[in-house]
Amino acid sequence: AQTVTQSQPEMSVQEAETVTLSCTYDTSESDYYLFWYKQPPSRQMILVIRQEAYKQQNATENRFSVNFQKAAKSFSLKISDSQLGDAAMYFCAYRSAELGTYKYIFGTGTRLKVLA
Amino acid sequence: GAGVSQSPRYKVAKRGQDVALRCDPISGHVSLFWYQQALGQGPEFLTYFQNEAQLDKSGLPSDRFFAERPEGSVSTLKIQRTQQEDSAVYLCASSIWTAKGETQYFGPGTRLLVL
Repeated sequence: AQTVTQSQPEMSVQEAETVTLSCTYDTSESDYYLFWYKQPPSRQMILVIRQEAYKQQNATENRFSVNFQKAAKSFSLKISDSQLGDAAMYFCAYRSAELGTYKYIFGTGTRLKVLA
Repeated sequence: GAGVSQSPRYKVAKRGQDVALRCDPISGHVSLFWYQQALGQGPEFLTYFQNEAQLDKSGLPSDRFFAERPEGSVSTLKIQRTQQEDSAVYLCASSIWTAKGETQYFGPGTRLLVL
């Protein structure tokens, strides 16, 4: 069975600085999708960025980028120029690409604090 | 446009009561997911619908949990004979596939407290 591990329960970053959130996963599959979701306090969870395992190029979305290391089964999220609005819980998630599978597996989350 | 909505937002139930949680997905979204999120944890998959078909219910913790989506739109998660360990936030998400992949859109959740 696949697992997702986020070993940093909490991280802090100064406004305008860069922070990296870690995620490791375990799978025997070769094709899958990885995601980072943001859950602000009392607000809905939203997709931040996604990566397809068969793509070697790391995904980027504006200030958000990932470092995808397939062999190491590592998928970290880098937030550049951190803003106060980035404060939230961040969840790493895995989804198999195998036909007929639909389940998402989430990590336990990292709480990001942004200091003014 | 309107996002995913869930009702009620909060529900307090006495142990042993039955509860029904409603999810209104984004119009036109074929896929619908239910998750259970315990305090301080990530969402745990419960079940998945494609239109009205429940294609995966492997995450439902017991036969007290039942979900349906009879017309392929609104979905209801029912919990019978609630127990204290059922206390959690129940999240619904609908999704769409584009050239970039699948994007889930989450609702605000229903916070269930079983006393």
